[in-house]
Amino acid sequence: ETGVTQTPRHLVMGMTNKKSLKCEQHLGHNAMYWYKQSAKKPLELMFVYSLEERVENNSVPSRFSPECPNSSHLFLHLHTLQPEDSALYLCASSPGVWGNYGYTFGSGTRLTVV
Amino acid sequence: GENVEQHPSTLSVQEGDSAVIKCTYSDSASNYFPWYKQELGKGPQLIIDIRSNVGEKKDQRIAVTLNKTAKHFSLHITETQPEDSAVYFCAPSGGYQKVTFGTGTKLQVIP
Repeated sequence: ETGVTQTPRHLVMGMTNKKSLKCEQHLGHNAMYWYKQSAKKPLELMFVYSLEERVENNSVPSRFSPECPNSSHLFLHLHTLQPEDSALYLCASSPGVWGNYGYTFGSGTRLTVV
Repeated sequence: GENVEQHPSTLSVQEGDSAVIKCTYSDSASNYFPWYKQELGKGPQLIIDIRSNVGEKKDQRIAVTLNKTAKHFSLHITETQPEDSAVYFCAPSGGYQKVTFGTGTKLQVIP
């Protein structure tokens, strides 16, 4: 167990559905991140939260909506997705935000949009 | 932003041989240099890191070396084993920089 737990592990959704991805960490870390990992592409940063405050939205379409109710939990709400949004969505946490800290990743949610 | 290049993109070695992966970066302000290992069906896992005041760090069969002048750092794996087969990512960063991940190196260790 990596210390960062993501649910569900797999998700298949239609383009008109609404679903949410959940991430939980009990490492006492202050920063949490959402990354998108597509085949043959580098890891793409989506959102960054520091102490529950969003500090970065990396030009992500509004059909992705993050929520950070407390420093241990992070959600990614999905609606009206496109097939090209199919990817592995990874949550990570770190002691502080940005550089100088190693990240602890969850195992990811494999999302398929049909 | 940081420009990160990782080479090679794929690497096949015989079990017991050594493997070396190189990461080149552009931002001279970078001062933290980690390597991550991603196994199939899992998220990346931090396996070793080095900070800019150190030139080399070892942890059993893995080591990281840093050349700040040339702006590159490398991952060295000795006596490779099948369980070393994975995708490896570098992610140089520092200060208030966003972390930029390399494009990954797929390592295959042939038994």
